[in-house]
This record gives sequence, structure tokens and C-alpha cells, in this order.
Amino acid sequence: TQLLEQSPQFLSIQEGENLTVYCNSSSVFSSLQWYRQEPGEGPVLLVTVVTGGEVKKLKRLTFQFGDARKDSSLHITAAQPGDTGLYLCAVPGAGSYQLTFGKGTKLSVIP
Amino acid sequence: DAGITQSPRHKVTETGTPVTLRCHQTENHRYMYWYRQDPGHGLRLIHYSYGVKDTDKGEVSDGYSVSRSKTEDFLLTLESATSSQTSVYFCAISGQGAMNTEAFFGQGTRLTVV
Repeated sequence: TQLLEQSPQFLSIQEGENLTVYCNSSSVFSSLQWYRQEPGEGPVLLVTVVTGGEVKKLKRLTFQFGDARKDSSLHITAAQPGDTGLYLCAVPGAGSYQLTFGKGTKLSVIP
Repeated sequence: DAGITQSPRHKVTETGTPVTLRCHQTENHRYMYWYRQDPGHGLRLIHYSYGVKDTDKGEVSDGYSVSRSKTEDFLLTLESATSSQTSVYFCAISGQGAMNTEAFFGQGTRLTVV
């Protein structure tokens, strides 16, 4: 059983559309991170959410941590081709500095 | 950007040969990690280090060993490469600041075992 379930697995949309991707689990986490990975590159940290119900905004990206700290969502407003990439969520392990990643949502924004 | 350099960036090797991948950081971060990324599996932790000469196994450590003799260098060795180890390998570092699980990744090494 995957610790983190990301959905959808693939998403292809037109430029200007809005979208939401999800990261779900049955476990409670102290924090959750979102990364974006472009083809041929390593993942890059976008944001860390810590408090249940927390909302963070990064330009057109809005990140929300669930009230129970079991899930998170990433909403992109007016998607642009530069948003294309693999979006990964990750959580730290209990008592360690290891990160466990979801399998990601591969987003394609078509001009 | 965090100073992380992976070498080589690409490598093709034959089954049964030893291979060593290098990760070098200039950030003085305590923690270093090796992940592999495969379609359908995502990023999986191979080994990690929490200090010089302090290492531990991750989720998919079989067939791999690591060494960390200096803070800045973390080596991943495939003792006898197999085709199942064809993958993209990423090094990551963390451990600075309040959110010390936040990871910074290298650009990856694409390894092909033929």
C-alpha cells in the first residue's frame, strides 16, 4: 500500500485552465512538502505546509493542507506551459529525516 | 540553488561491472540521500547518511552500498550492476534551518546497464 496516493496520475489541459491535484493518505503527518520536477532535472521544492488547514500561495499556485493533516491539494490558476512538469508530494518519516514521496502527477499544459 | 553536483550525468555499463556514482555538496548539509526514480514507482530511497561515516538503508538498498568519508561527498556503489538497476539516480541533501527535512536535489545520473 502506497503511503501517499497522488491523483490524477496524468493531466493534460489547455493554457489558461484551472486545475487541482491531490495528495492523500490515511496517516497523519507533521508536515508535507510539494516539489515540481521538470524533464531531465531533479525535483525542486515549492512549499512546505505544517498546520492543519494551512493555505499557502505561490503566485498562481495555492497549496492547502487538510484539517486532519492527512491530505493536501495543489490548485493552479490559469495554467501556463511553464507549469508543465511532475508534481510530487512528500512527507518526512517519524523520527527521521527521510522523505517518502508519492508517485506524482504529470501535468502537461498545452499552449 | 543549492550546490549539489552529481557525476557522471550519464553512464552506460555492462552487467556485472562495478559502478560508482558521486554526489558532491558545497552547502555543509548534514543529511545526504540517494534515490532512484523509475516509471510507475516514483522516487525511492536507496540509502542515506546522517553524518560522516554514518549511513543507513532505505527502501530499496539491496545491491547498493554507500560511503561518506567527508561531509561534502556521498558515494553510491553498485557492486555488480544488473539490468534492474537501470534507472535515474538522484542525490539530495537536507538538514539546514528549521524545516530540516526540506530536500535539495542534484540533476540526476542516468545509468543504463546493458
